[in-house]
Amino acid sequence: AQSVTQPDIHITVSEGASLELRCNYSYGATPYLFWYVQSPGQGLQLLLKYFSGDTLVQGIKGFEAEFKRSQSSFNLRKPSVHWSDAAEYFCAVGARQSNYQLIWGAGTKLIIKP
Amino acid sequence: EPEVTQTPSHQVTQMGQEVILRCVPISNHLYFYWYRQILGQKVEFLVSFYNNEISEKSEIFDDQFSVERPDGSNFTLKIRSTKLEDSAMYFCASRGDGDSNQPQHFGDGTRLSIL
Repeated sequence: AQSVTQPDIHITVSEGASLELRCNYSYGATPYLFWYVQSPGQGLQLLLKYFSGDTLVQGIKGFEAEFKRSQSSFNLRKPSVHWSDAAEYFCAVGARQSNYQLIWGAGTKLIIKP
Repeated sequence: EPEVTQTPSHQVTQMGQEVILRCVPISNHLYFYWYRQILGQKVEFLVSFYNNEISEKSEIFDDQFSVERPDGSNFTLKIRSTKLEDSAMYFCASRGDGDSNQPQHFGDGTRLSIL
């Protein structure tokens, strides 16, 4: 069955510290991978995407993610978080064969300590 | 930057009533989607739409749901007879064209509250 797992419901980091949010997927076809961010009461903003090529992808707001096929993972990283990064982060998977419909993880809520 | 816009931002409806959620996708996009997010749960795919017809739909998208692109700009989701469990945030998304690897762009959502 197709699924996306974000094992951490909440993560708390200090401002200025590094961040890694985990995402693992189970998907039959060649996956396309995405990270979206949702601030309270807001919509879903695309942070970055992986379709093919270089497995380390850069996104907006200083985020990056690395696709590791052998581990079925697409973890999101940022070297130094800012208070404005506090939000909920969603990993999602899609494929051309399914018309790119997205299957979503449950999300990780990022809390920033001052 | 072009945006997907959704109206209203919040809709309160009595159970059993019909509701129409409206979306204006990005103007040159050809693929359209609806998702929902029940409070505290995952975002769930409802339906995708291309070339004036549904291309994929989930088990959630039963006979109570329908989508329409009534003109060149709007993309609507209709729920015929709402239930309490339809209360959720509904997101519209659109994507570019052809086989190009383009991500979906989302609106800010409509919060639907069924009383």
